[in-house]
Amino acid sequence: SAVISQKPSRDICQRGTSLTIQCQVDSQVTMMFWYRQQPGQSLTLIATANQGSEATYESGFVIDKFPISRPNLTFSTLTVSNMSPEDSSIYLCSVERFGELNTEAFFGQGTRLTVV
Amino acid sequence: AQSVTQLDSQVPVFEEAPVELRCNYSSSVSVYLFWYVQYPNQGLQLLLKYLSGSTLVKGINGFEAEFNKSQTSFHLRKPSVHISDTAEYFCAVSYNAGNNRKLIWGLGTSLAVNP
Repeated sequence: SAVISQKPSRDICQRGTSLTIQCQVDSQVTMMFWYRQQPGQSLTLIATANQGSEATYESGFVIDKFPISRPNLTFSTLTVSNMSPEDSSIYLCSVERFGELNTEAFFGQGTRLTVV
Repeated sequence: AQSVTQLDSQVPVFEEAPVELRCNYSSSVSVYLFWYVQYPNQGLQLLLKYLSGSTLVKGINGFEAEFNKSQTSFHLRKPSVHISDTAEYFCAVSYNAGNNRKLIWGLGTSLAVNP
């Protein structure tokens, strides 16, 4: 299993500012994933963060808006830059364990962001 | 391309009644299948998963799901629901994409259990 600590759990931010979300895993993982869950919607993958290389962004997401750091195998940050009300969402950090007999995705508690 | 469809966006049900939340998928490659639950103001928690073997999978909190390959379905069931089962339920599919595994999600089904 994996225990993921994500902070802050929630924040209310002014438009035009930036917020950095931290994600700490209790074990080393190769890839960490950042998702966005907009109100009433499913999860949308923002990017995949590998340690030692640039993050890989999904279509519709760019590094300038969502810069990601991955300084080691247990930690990652996601910054939501120059925020607007449309960025109000839940942001989730995730890791996945894959194996022949067991595979599962684990999630942090999420960061509930409101931009005013 | 792979896709996941949850056929019901909202399912209202009375306490102690049975419930089925439907999930269909489309894939040209073999997949793993998951159901996750998200209680109000919480993160996602794995309910159950199908990787291989028996097509009937039992998970936590009395839930079970059956993998039906011919119908490409993985419906979630519980014979008797509780108020505490009120939550958002997500079906997900994992498949190989090159050297990585991809995970794609359904839009979710909101289960509302009423007294």
